Amino acid sequence: SAVISQKPSRDICQRGTSLTIQCQVDSQVTMMFWYRQQPGQSLTLIATANQGSEATYESGFVIDKFPISRPNLTFSTLTVSNMSPEDSSIYLCSFQGQGPTDTQYFGPGTRLTVL
Amino acid sequence: AQSVAQPEDQVNVAEGNPLTVKCTYSVSGNPYLFWYVQYPNRGLQFLLKYITGDNLVKGSYGFEAEFNKSQTSFHLKKPSALVSDSALYFCAVIWGTGGFKTIFGAGTRLFVKA
Repeated sequence: SAVISQKPSRDICQRGTSLTIQCQVDSQVTMMFWYRQQPGQSLTLIATANQGSEATYESGFVIDKFPISRPNLTFSTLTVSNMSPEDSSIYLCSFQGQGPTDTQYFGPGTRLTVL
Repeated sequence: AQSVAQPEDQVNVAEGNPLTVKCTYSVSGNPYLFWYVQYPNRGLQFLLKYITGDNLVKGSYGFEAEFNKSQTSFHLKKPSALVSDSALYFCAVIWGTGGFKTIFGAGTRLFVKA
């Protein structure tokens, strides 16, 4: 199966700053997803990122706060902008195969703490 | 509203005993059902899925799950639990026509005692 990696694995940031999280897949994938997960809790989908088009954001998430890039079929970034302590969470990238019946594969996550 | 429920925050079992982690759903149309497991400090890993066909599906690490359409359930089971099965388990449902949506359950933490 494909390997998916994220950088950084964790970071501690100051309020008001921004952090860009990178997600790399070792094969070309069409759909990539960004999730937020409070430790030990469920996943909340932030947005879906398809190569060559604008990301689609879920209710409660906006592009100004979470800009996403998807420059090619193996890479995506999520930026958490103007951070506040409420943004402290685990951020996961994910991809799915060709369609809804395919398995989703998840990166190891980026643990963000905002002071 | 579409929803997925994992009614138990935590399940405790003794090693060697059977385990069940429950999942029920409420979505329109025919869903695709998945189970994922998350070990500490790691990303989610796929366990098994139901798409169509036989209601009993078998997956990784000896896990299986049974799709019950009338009860709208997809409970995860294993005949004999291992301490190493201790982890956080998520049920996920995909549904829709044309545009598909995914919902994850709240997660159930499984503790297996030696």
